Amino acid sequence: DQQVKQNSPSLSVQEGRISILNCDYTNSMFDYFLWYKKYPAEGPTFLISISSIKDKNEDGRFTVFLNKSAKHLSLHIVPSQPGDSAVYFCAARKNEKLTFGTGTRLTIIP
Amino acid sequence: NAGVTQTPKFQVLKTGQSMTLQCAQDMNHNSMYWYRQDPGMGLRLIYYSASEGTTDKGEVPNGYNVSRLNKREFSLRLESAAPSQTSVYFCASSRAQLGNTEAFFGQGTRLTVV
Repeated sequence: DQQVKQNSPSLSVQEGRISILNCDYTNSMFDYFLWYKKYPAEGPTFLISISSIKDKNEDGRFTVFLNKSAKHLSLHIVPSQPGDSAVYFCAARKNEKLTFGTGTRLTIIP
Repeated sequence: NAGVTQTPKFQVLKTGQSMTLQCAQDMNHNSMYWYRQDPGMGLRLIYYSASEGTTDKGEVPNGYNVSRLNKREFSLRLESAAPSQTSVYFCASSRAQLGNTEAFFGQGTRLTVV
């Protein structure tokens, strides 16, 4: 029973364009949603989060949107840069525990 | 500032051997976690500790034990390693206060069981 789903294993985007990564969840009790970025042979690093009571949070080039009625969140990166090439995990928090999706590998094409 | 430190970085075990993965954080965080990452499976929670002396099972606890030795250290033990435990293991910590959601991860331990 996968409570957090990232249905796109991979995504390729041209440099300078917008990257949109999607995530769906099933448990309405999650109170925070987070995005992590992971490079090979490194641990995940935190990117941005959003509370379940908000619908948008922005931090520089990164914006996370939350649609609670659809149980869907998305991460927008604009403009995309070569250094953004990595695996992106969405995560959802309930009772201080994080449940992760399976990840989306983003490749930025120069 | 070291953050979250895991040892060892790499390990090869024979089936049936035991070992302990060590994790320490220097951020004075209350909560600590152990995750495993497998291809196509994302990160799955093995065990969680909300504070010193307390532990709780996660999604995939079978075959593992943990010890929260003090506020800084949280170890993961494999008593009898199996090939299915071949994975990359990540330790993480967070302040776990209301509204503070960020968890910091270590560099990972790549474990191979043959």
